[in-house]
Amino acid sequence: QKEVEQDPGPLSVPEGAIVSLNCTYSNSAFQYFMWYRQYSRKGPELLMYTYSSGNKEDGRFTAQVDKSSKYISLFIRDSQPSDSATYLCAMNGNYGQNFVFGPGTRLSVLP
Amino acid sequence: GAGVSQTPSNKVTEKGKYVELRCDPISGHTALYWYRQSLGQGPEFLIYFQGTGAADDSGLPNDRFFAVRPEGSVSTLKIQRTERGDSAVYLCASSTDREQTQYFGPGTRLLVL
Repeated sequence: QKEVEQDPGPLSVPEGAIVSLNCTYSNSAFQYFMWYRQYSRKGPELLMYTYSSGNKEDGRFTAQVDKSSKYISLFIRDSQPSDSATYLCAMNGNYGQNFVFGPGTRLSVLP
Repeated sequence: GAGVSQTPSNKVTEKGKYVELRCDPISGHTALYWYRQSLGQGPEFLIYFQGTGAADDSGLPNDRFFAVRPEGSVSTLKIQRTERGDSAVYLCASSTDREQTQYFGPGTRLLVL
């Protein structure tokens, strides 16, 4: 079992839809969680950063962490074609530890 | 302000050759990370610098890979005797020592023929 898993997609949705992206992980020590967006042939760009369990909202994006289930989610409201990209989750247990990334989910928002 | 920059953006080399990949982090960022990303995969950690020293090099796959950061700013990833399996995008990221959020560069696409 990989340490962090994501459905690779591709996930195709119509413009305006609510998108749900998820990661599961196996290491209960993880407590810092990040979501990155990566456009084709570009480096990952940080979208959301959360610590421990709970929700965090930023504009159209909401990140949820459920440490008891080892499950994190990113919700995108009113999705736009410009949201079409690969979404990567990343996590670590303590400051200074290396981050573990999921393989990414490819999202396509159709106009 | 300037983000993380990486050079070259693309590198094609032959099997067995030596390559150097450069990363210029955001000014003032003390932490610097190297990752390798294969097609359809997430970034895979290689090495982490805090200042000039390698705080964690556990991700380097073998002794053909080496990285330096002599003045605590620019870093160079060095790959000796390249193999076709080394073909990937090599990403660099940096962060301050007060936060964990990392800022990535655009990557260097390495192709070993």
